[in-house]
Amino acid sequence: EPEVTQTPSHQVTQMGQEVILRCVPISNHLYFYWYRQILGQKVEFLVSFYNNEISEKSEIFDDQFSVERPDGSNFTLKIRSTKLEDSAMYFCASSEPDYGYTFGSGTRLTVV
Amino acid sequence: GESVGLHLPTLSVQEGDNSIINCAYSNSASDYFIWYKQESGKGPQFIIDIRSNMDKRQGQRVTVLLNKTVKHLSLQIAATQPGDSAVYFCADTGRRALTFGSGTRLQVQP
Repeated sequence: EPEVTQTPSHQVTQMGQEVILRCVPISNHLYFYWYRQILGQKVEFLVSFYNNEISEKSEIFDDQFSVERPDGSNFTLKIRSTKLEDSAMYFCASSEPDYGYTFGSGTRLTVV
Repeated sequence: GESVGLHLPTLSVQEGDNSIINCAYSNSASDYFIWYKQESGKGPQFIIDIRSNMDKRQGQRVTVLLNKTVKHLSLQIAATQPGDSAVYFCADTGRRALTFGSGTRLQVQP
């Protein structure tokens, strides 16, 4: 069964540093997403991406965040100048236009 | 606003019993709903979905019921097994972004 692959599985970074979280969506999917889940809380939408541009973003997704599809397979989330409160699980997902949302296993980001 | 340190409701069932997990949504424009299962340290795993033009959909051991009048979803799991122990989330979408509910922790007692 096709999978969404995320790397690394765990990232520890110092406050103020930049991190890049990587994702390989399912190959025939057209929509890509990032979500995050702070420990003990619900999964929250960050951003969706279609046709090489952001199609929707939440209020969480401020100027500290950016996304990119640098080639035909990868989808990245960059967090500039990380803060302690950015510590969370970050999930990448991909979907076809109207169905098939599939999530990756996540990257646990720990900011120290 | 959102609550910090959300306390998940818990449903405890005996192995072999049927489980019913409920979810309310607020967006009348939502037209697609998904139930996800999340095990500790893992990403949400798709269980079953339903569109707003349906009120019931069945999968393998699972059934989702949708009541648009009261904006309510339920997930029924037949013959619950220990491997069903997880947190269950419903999610809805009117556009692309999924809005997740707060989740229910299902505990299956042997």
